[in-house]
Amino acid sequence: TQLLEQSPQFLSIQEGENLTVYCNSSSVFSSLQWYRQEPGEGPVLLVTVVTGGEVKKLKRLTFQFGDARKDSSLHITAAQPGDTGLYLCADPSGGSYIPTFGRGTSLIVHP
Amino acid sequence: DAGITQSPRHKVTETGTPVTLRCHQTENHRYMYWYRQDPGHGLRLIHYSYGVKDTDKGEVSDGYSVSRSKTEDFLLTLESATSSQTSVYFCAISEGAGANVLTFGAGSRLTVL
Repeated sequence: TQLLEQSPQFLSIQEGENLTVYCNSSSVFSSLQWYRQEPGEGPVLLVTVVTGGEVKKLKRLTFQFGDARKDSSLHITAAQPGDTGLYLCADPSGGSYIPTFGRGTSLIVHP
Repeated sequence: DAGITQSPRHKVTETGTPVTLRCHQTENHRYMYWYRQDPGHGLRLIHYSYGVKDTDKGEVSDGYSVSRSKTEDFLLTLESATSSQTSVYFCAISEGAGANVLTFGAGSRLTVL
């Protein structure tokens, strides 16, 4: 099973700041997913990246897949309190094609 | 609009008692999963199912059993609950394996005293 390392583990910032969170592995991903989990709820898929070097944008969120497909980043521009939550990366084709998750980055955006 | 519901949402029980958590879906998805989420550990797979009566273990299956007698229901049972099983449990569904989207339930918070 591929190990997904996420950093930082915690992030506390002020509204309007930019931030980047990372997801890394020693192995190559066939694809990678990012989920966001708001307090008291289950994770919700934000994006799936498939191609090395791929960049996807979702409003103020920019997702990048590394050229070698071993890492990914999520950049948030001008963070808002509504961005608060746990950001999880996932390998949807983990062991036996069962999704495996990183430990997540917990983000708090203060008004 | 929830296509997946978990019950109960909250439960407090005592060590040694049996507990069953239920996951119900209306999406007719083939795959169903039970994860537990603990601080510092992220989401860890307990068991999953790839069809009616077809189940397999995940990375933290000890102390848990599952059953799937109908496409729409996936039950997680703790035969004799222990304090280490205090956690938030999430059910998820997907149409297939591999690069499919997981849709999660809202979670079941279990406290074992």
